[in-house]
Amino acid sequence: NAGVTQTPKFQVLKTGQSMTLQCAQDMNHNSMYWYRQDPGMGLRLIYYSASEGTTDKGEVPNGYNVSRLNKREFSLRLESAAPSQTSVYFCASSTGLRETQYFGPGTRLLVL
Amino acid sequence: QKEVEQNSGPLSVPEGAIASLNCTYSDRGSQSFFWYRQYSGKSPELIMFIYSNGDKEDGRFTAQLNKASQYVSLLIRDSQPSDSATYLCAVKHMEYGNKLVFGAGTILRVKS
Repeated sequence: NAGVTQTPKFQVLKTGQSMTLQCAQDMNHNSMYWYRQDPGMGLRLIYYSASEGTTDKGEVPNGYNVSRLNKREFSLRLESAAPSQTSVYFCASSTGLRETQYFGPGTRLLVL
Repeated sequence: QKEVEQNSGPLSVPEGAIASLNCTYSDRGSQSFFWYRQYSGKSPELIMFIYSNGDKEDGRFTAQLNKASQYVSLLIRDSQPSDSATYLCAVKHMEYGNKLVFGAGTILRVKS
């Protein structure tokens, strides 16, 4: 039981490049989330998926897209990376929107 | 005004002392409150959650909630150097459809 896994662990991009961050959970959770964490800002919600087949914007969705591929997987895509997207990205999951969230190990992204 | 506010610290306490971490929130309708611990370079992990006014104890940890004052705290008794981490307060926020809103975190340093 791996919990929440994320790939890659670390990535360097040039401005304008695109990439997809992958997240998978094996806890049979319905809800999944993407956060970014910046120094002094705490965790901010980018997008979430309450259940398979649904996605909704969070606090800071601009510049990102998501896909809930199936119940296990929730990916985050940067179409044209910008230096302002340099951050640590965490995926999380929970049984439902009202329940405790469990976090993956994070992806450190540097955009030059 | 931020939705969830924490003193950034660092809060330094000697080993064996009680560490007191505080959090205030702006949405009076918030119902659920969580404390996460985050070691440097790692992902947040849940320590405690509290829903009702009063105290909730779990081992060396006590969460305290005062909804009238919009205040939640975490007490760590017999602090250990291994408790040194950033502590994140998170609130289920009625304005955001019951999604979690995080504070920026308080850095705790326990000196041996």
